[in-house]
Amino acid sequence: SQTIHQWPATLVQPVGSPLSLECTVEGTSNPNLYWYRQAAGRGLQLLFYSVGIGQISSEVPQNLSASRPQDRQFILSSKKLLLSDSGFYLCAWSVSNRGRHTFGSGTRLTVV
Amino acid sequence: SQQGEEDPQALSIQEGENATMNCSYKTSINNLQWYRQNSGRGLVHLILIRSNEREKHSGRLRVTLDTSKKSSSLLITASRAADTASYFCATGPFTQGGSEKLVFGKGTKLTVNP
Repeated sequence: SQTIHQWPATLVQPVGSPLSLECTVEGTSNPNLYWYRQAAGRGLQLLFYSVGIGQISSEVPQNLSASRPQDRQFILSSKKLLLSDSGFYLCAWSVSNRGRHTFGSGTRLTVV
Repeated sequence: SQQGEEDPQALSIQEGENATMNCSYKTSINNLQWYRQNSGRGLVHLILIRSNEREKHSGRLRVTLDTSKKSSSLLITASRAADTASYFCATGPFTQGGSEKLVFGKGTKLTVNP
C-alpha cells in the first residue's frame, strides 16, 4: 500500500536560520508531489509541485525552494527563514489523471 | 480566481443532527473533491464527484454537484462527535506543466457537540 512520510512534525526555528523539510512516498512510482502551506484557520496554498526528478514548478514567489532528488523524495528548503514563513506545511502526492491527493501528516513550523 | 469557497465558515451542531456544508467555485471543473482535516493533522480524502455526476454517497456522506450553479454540498447524516473537523472542497484537476493541481477552499469548521 502507498504511504507518505513527512517530518519533523513540529519545528521552531529562529529568523535567519535554514530550513529543510523532507517528504517521502512509498508504494508508488513517479508520483506527482506537492508542497502546500496552510496559515492558521485558512485554506491550503500550493507552493510547489513536481512531476518528476529534478522537475519543480513554483506557484508563488517566496523565500522557499523545493527539490526532488529522487523519484519519491520531495524536500522543502530555505536558506534564511522569515517570520512570515511560519505555518503548517503539508506534503501530498497524486497519481497522474486521478486528481486525488494523499497528504502527509504535516509540519508545524514556527519562526521566532 | 479558481478557488472554491465553503459556506458556512463554521458550523456547530448536536450529535445525531445532520450537517450540510456548501462549496461554490468559479470555473469549469473535471471533478470536485471533499477532504477532512482533524486539528493539526493532514487532510484525508473523503469523496470525489465527477463533473458528469449529480450525486454520490459514501457511508454517512452524501455529496451533490450542480455544475450549472457551480456549487456542491456535503451532507453528513447522523453526525457524531468524531466528525468534528474542518472540511475542504477542492476543485480540479487543472493540468499545468504535466501536473494536476487542485484548488482548495478555506474550509468549514464543523463542531459536533455530544
